[in-house]
Amino acid sequence: DAKTTQPPSMDCAEGRAANLPCNHSTISGNEYVYWYRQIHSQGPQYIIHGLKNNETNEMASLIITEDRKSSTLILPHATLRDTAVYYCIVRSWGSQGNLIFGKGTKLSVKP
Amino acid sequence: ETGVTQTPRHLVMGMTNKKSLKCEQHLGHNAMYWYKQSAKKPLELMFVYSLEERVENNSVPSRFSPECPNSSHLFLHLHTLQPEDSALYLCASSQEYRATYGYTFGSGTRLTVV
Repeated sequence: DAKTTQPPSMDCAEGRAANLPCNHSTISGNEYVYWYRQIHSQGPQYIIHGLKNNETNEMASLIITEDRKSSTLILPHATLRDTAVYYCIVRSWGSQGNLIFGKGTKLSVKP
Repeated sequence: ETGVTQTPRHLVMGMTNKKSLKCEQHLGHNAMYWYKQSAKKPLELMFVYSLEERVENNSVPSRFSPECPNSSHLFLHLHTLQPEDSALYLCASSQEYRATYGYTFGSGTRLTVV
């Protein structure tokens, strides 16, 4: 599975949009982009995933560039409860079913 | 509740003890996983079960012994652990092994080995 690169930390003001970038320049055609987050001392929580089209659900939006080498997770109106470590993971369909977590981005939402 | 329940939430054990971690899901998922998260390190996949059969063991020491008696329950049996085994142990499940669906994680068991 392709490797991802994320900034180690980011700050965001409460109520503003949080845009979390992820670089996955070695992604291959059958690999999906997944986003999870982990609030302190809890298990990771699935947020969203996509292949090449932009995706939106009740939690967030996922914007994938046309060449698929990078993506951005958007939390449209960040709240203090969105403070967490956000993981961008690239995983191929039909792989051995593993989610391999990197170090992620620590997002701090400030009042 | 996330749909995956882990017990106990916290566990302190001596190096000579034997204990078990329990994971339970009633989501109808067919695959279950054990992950280990040590301080300031990424999550490490330990074991994967699909339809109650172990399909992956990622070089985990034998002092960790998983058991999956049915598709809803997963155990991690612990014996003669070391202090460096202190970590957050997370259980997860997914609809199918090798599926594109997201995983559902439990809240974890915080293990301290003394």
